[in-house]
Amino acid sequence: ETGVTQSPTHLIKTRGQQVTLRCSSQSGHNTVSWYQQALGQGPQFIFQYYREEENGRGNFPPRFSGLQFPNYSSELNVNALELDDSALYLCASSLGQGTDTQYFGPGTRLTVL
Amino acid sequence: RKEVEQDPGPFNVPEGATVAFNCTYSNSASQSFFWYRQDCRKEPKLLMSVYSSGNEDGRFTAQLNRASQYISLLIRDSKLSDSATYLCVVILKTGANNLFFGTGTRLTVIP
Repeated sequence: ETGVTQSPTHLIKTRGQQVTLRCSSQSGHNTVSWYQQALGQGPQFIFQYYREEENGRGNFPPRFSGLQFPNYSSELNVNALELDDSALYLCASSLGQGTDTQYFGPGTRLTVL
Repeated sequence: RKEVEQDPGPFNVPEGATVAFNCTYSNSASQSFFWYRQDCRKEPKLLMSVYSSGNEDGRFTAQLNRASQYISLLIRDSKLSDSATYLCVVILKTGANNLFFGTGTRLTVIP
């Protein structure tokens, strides 16, 4: 096991609602990255947090936002949910930013109805 | 054009077979390369890093060809437990938003 945990494991929401997903990084890791994985696709990078600051962002709209806490755990918030937001949301922790090996949590499966 | 392209498969091979996957990347400035394995409805797990000199870990061999911009994964003596989706990962350069996953190649090893 990687030591990266995520909650909840599953979630069902309706269009227009807001959701918060949580991630606890592996001990000693100061960087958390969030990914969206739609069915049959590879993970798509949403953003990364390094020492509580956003450190880079993929091609996702502003309604996807995040936060990292002093203990390096992190939240992903999605506002105004759309049907296409249904996916597996993965967080990955690493010791540093950029090219460091990332270790994934088990993911949160979000279904938007 | 996608940063990383993989043949999605599926690859169905008998136990004991040798199977190879390729992954191509579009940006010649790419710096780091990895193969991840993802079991059904599970998270991706690092299988191995990929170096220009090639690297081997038991039955698995990874190669990088910078001139042709592709990476490969070779699995020898396939086991039933090798059935999974294999994702290649390319990092363009140091920086958070430069990490790209392929769509994955699905492998099923048949008894």
